[in-house]
Amino acid sequence: NAGVTQTPKFRVLKTGQSMTLLCAQDMNHEYMYWYRQDPGMGLRLIHYSVGEGTTAKGEVPDGYNVSRLKKQNFLLGLESAAPSQTSVYFCASSFGQGHNYGYTFGSGTRLTVV
Amino acid sequence: QQQVKQSPQSLIVQKGGISIINCAYENTAFDYFPWYQQFPGKGPALLIAIRPDVSEKKEGRFTISFNKSAKQFSLHIMDSQPGDSATYFCAASEAFQGAQKLVFGQGTRLTINP
Repeated sequence: NAGVTQTPKFRVLKTGQSMTLLCAQDMNHEYMYWYRQDPGMGLRLIHYSVGEGTTAKGEVPDGYNVSRLKKQNFLLGLESAAPSQTSVYFCASSFGQGHNYGYTFGSGTRLTVV
Repeated sequence: QQQVKQSPQSLIVQKGGISIINCAYENTAFDYFPWYQQFPGKGPALLIAIRPDVSEKKEGRFTISFNKSAKQFSLHIMDSQPGDSATYFCAASEAFQGAQKLVFGQGTRLTINP
């Protein structure tokens, strides 16, 4: 059982380059989330989706775009990478409303922008 | 503005001792308080969670104590073991536009010395 799979695991970008991070889940979860993790900051919500075809902004959305064309996939895009976007990015998914189900996280993508 | 404040940032405990991590929040709309455990190179994983109508929840060696009036909650790890060495995040959740959005604390790096 794969759970939540993130690709790639590591990436180095030059300032101004673009890239897409892919998140795939095989648990039929409705809700998906993108977080970034920075030292001393915990995890901060970038964007989230409550279902196929829907997305919404989180706490730190600037510089990122997302798409949820299929229920199982949630893509995070950086159109013009900046050094401030150097971080570890985590995707998570959950069944939805109700707190009986926790988030399932992927293993992360470590992104360095130089 | 950090909605959930976590302390300490790092903690060293001897094997067999009690590890205590504290969190405080301001938003009274939060209605679910999970703790996540993260090992290096992995995503966070749900450890234990509590609702605000309960003052304590225990699962094995892990206990959450919750003080609603003080808006504080803490994680206690009894008989701490080297395998407990990890980063721990407290979090708080509220329903928002049909989603359960988690807000995380800054994290505590716990080291258990053998």
